[in-house]
Amino acid sequence: AQSVTQLGSHVSVSEGALVLLRCNYSSSVPPYLFWYVQYPNQGLQLLLKYTTGATLVKGINGFEAEFKKSETSFHLTKPSAHMSDAAEYFCAVSDHNNDMRFGAGTRLTVKP
Amino acid sequence: KAGVTQTPRYLIKTRGQQVTLSCSPISGHRSVSWYQQTPGQGLQFLFEYFSETQRNKGNFPGRFSGRQFSNSRSEMNVSTLELGDSALYLCASSPSTGWNTEAFFGQGTRLTVV
Repeated sequence: AQSVTQLGSHVSVSEGALVLLRCNYSSSVPPYLFWYVQYPNQGLQLLLKYTTGATLVKGINGFEAEFKKSETSFHLTKPSAHMSDAAEYFCAVSDHNNDMRFGAGTRLTVKP
Repeated sequence: KAGVTQTPRYLIKTRGQQVTLSCSPISGHRSVSWYQQTPGQGLQFLFEYFSETQRNKGNFPGRFSGRQFSNSRSEMNVSTLELGDSALYLCASSPSTGWNTEAFFGQGTRLTVV
């Protein structure tokens, strides 16, 4: 069965600094990978997804992620953090059973 | 286009009671999935319905059940509530079923069991 590991339950960056949220996956078949963001008392919103094709995926709000099969990773990055980026971020993997598995989440704090 | 609607948003129940949560998917979406979110366990998959049939089920006891109606609306039921069932229950809908299909989430129902 597929699974996802997010390294670091809390990440803190200064406004304007690089954001790097780490995600490693395990899947016996080529995976489909997703990053979701959750603001307080809200549901999850899709940031970006990788299905096939280009390994560098661009999403909303300036985020992007790169699928690296050799490293089984799908890390999320943003060149310059904004205060509004403070939220919880979830990496997810899905396979042909359409059973989407989520990581434990990483809470991003942005300091002024 | 209206998003995924979950009702109620907040609910307080007593141990031993049962509860029914409702989810109205985005118009035209036929797949509905349910997740339980808790601080300790994170997001855990409960079940998925597509065209009124349960396609997948997570590792939850039989107290957790669900169904989907012909209009794709879905309900989940938890019987004999336990304190540990306190959580945010999220519903997600998708146009179809398939491993590359984006899931659109509702705002969730926060259930507190006292």
